[in-house]
Amino acid sequence: KQEVTQIPAALSVPEGENLVLNCSFTDSAIYNLQWFRQDPGKGLTSLLLIQSSQREQTSGRLNASLDKSSGRSTLYIAASQPGDSATYLCAPGGYNTDKLIFGTGTRLQVFP
Amino acid sequence: EPEVTQTPSHQVTQMGQEVILRCVPISNHLYFYWYRQILGQKVEFLVSFYNNEISEKSEIFDDQFSVERPDGSNFTLKIRSTKLEDSAMYFCASKGDTASNYGYTFGSGTRLTVV
Repeated sequence: KQEVTQIPAALSVPEGENLVLNCSFTDSAIYNLQWFRQDPGKGLTSLLLIQSSQREQTSGRLNASLDKSSGRSTLYIAASQPGDSATYLCAPGGYNTDKLIFGTGTRLQVFP
Repeated sequence: EPEVTQTPSHQVTQMGQEVILRCVPISNHLYFYWYRQILGQKVEFLVSFYNNEISEKSEIFDDQFSVERPDGSNFTLKIRSTKLEDSAMYFCASKGDTASNYGYTFGSGTRLTVV
């Protein structure tokens, strides 16, 4: 059964810092992994999708890497801004299942 | 940017009542999903739907739950007799079938409160 852990659970930083959010998963037989952002009381916004054959994906100030064999993914946020404040969720998708398994997320606060 | 649309955004219902949560997935997507998130907890998978039938469901998705795609655009989740523990945010999602859009797109959710 896939278990997803995200570290740290919460992070509070001044703006401008470069950040690393970690995601680990127990079953490395994944098809892809998706990173989402969730604002309080809101839906999930897709940030990046990495296929299992890829090592990383980039979008603007965001870069996500995937090391499938060790069961890890990292979301790197460059030059953080107050608007980046949200909860960040990772969710691997399996080969023989169509569902995403979510971690508990990292709650990020970036202050001016 | 195409969106998944959910209505209503908030619903309050009395215990034992039936509720229907509605979703309009992205028009060229073929896979449809419902997830839920109880306050302060993880997002949990409920059910996936493809080719007009359920393809996978979780233990949460018991006989009180059903899904339907009544026409070419809507996708609904029905809870027949709501319980207090059904209070949660319910998210609809859809996914395409081509390599360019294997990622999920989620709606903004329906907050269901059972009183």
